[in-house]
Amino acid sequence: GQNIDQPTEMTATEGAIVQINCTYQTSGFNGLFWYQQHAGEAPTFLSYNVLDGLEEKGRFSSFLSRSKGYSYLLLKELQMKDSASYLCAVMDSNYQLIWGAGTKLIIKP
Amino acid sequence: GAVVSQHPSRVICKSGTSVKIECRSLDFQATTMFWYRQFPKQSLMLMATSNEGSKATYEQGVEKDKFLINHASLTLSTLTVTSAHPEDSSFYICSAKGRETEAFFGQGTRLTVV
Repeated sequence: GQNIDQPTEMTATEGAIVQINCTYQTSGFNGLFWYQQHAGEAPTFLSYNVLDGLEEKGRFSSFLSRSKGYSYLLLKELQMKDSASYLCAVMDSNYQLIWGAGTKLIIKP
Repeated sequence: GAVVSQHPSRVICKSGTSVKIECRSLDFQATTMFWYRQFPKQSLMLMATSNEGSKATYEQGVEKDKFLINHASLTLSTLTVTSAHPEDSSFYICSAKGRETEAFFGQGTRLTVV
């Protein structure tokens, strides 16, 4: 079966760094996406990895290891507005997005 | 960046009526569109995938006759919830993907059936 695992909830302090992990087992692989979703809103695209390695975009970075079926999203210099759910999604061989359940990130002052 | 427009953002309808939700890609050709449903505090559930000019592929457990999907052009897909019931009340989100792009999301539609 297809499976994507990520922690349910994480807590971090404003100004700190947090890493959200995602492991996956899917039928085929056409890229891994990270999305941010605030309550009641549609997801917002953060990053896309299809090759191994680290992609940096401002305060956010995403890493992929295809051989390990593993990715992480790294958030630096955390701000209160970063409190949200972070969704990991893998596009399988049929170009369908398989979603993790999301990680709720709570930022404390 | 690429924009996907979803309309309406909120709709309230009476039980037994039908509701149509539109999803448009504004500046790219969407070869594939995805429709998702999201229940409170849960992740997105893929309902169906549609490729331009062909019939939608529905996920297991999703009723084809109840959730009609049309992807008539490379910039427009519609989801029609037919004979809506209160249990259909949910947040519906579309996503559009071009050949060389990631999937961009619409703003979502909050459907309330009374």
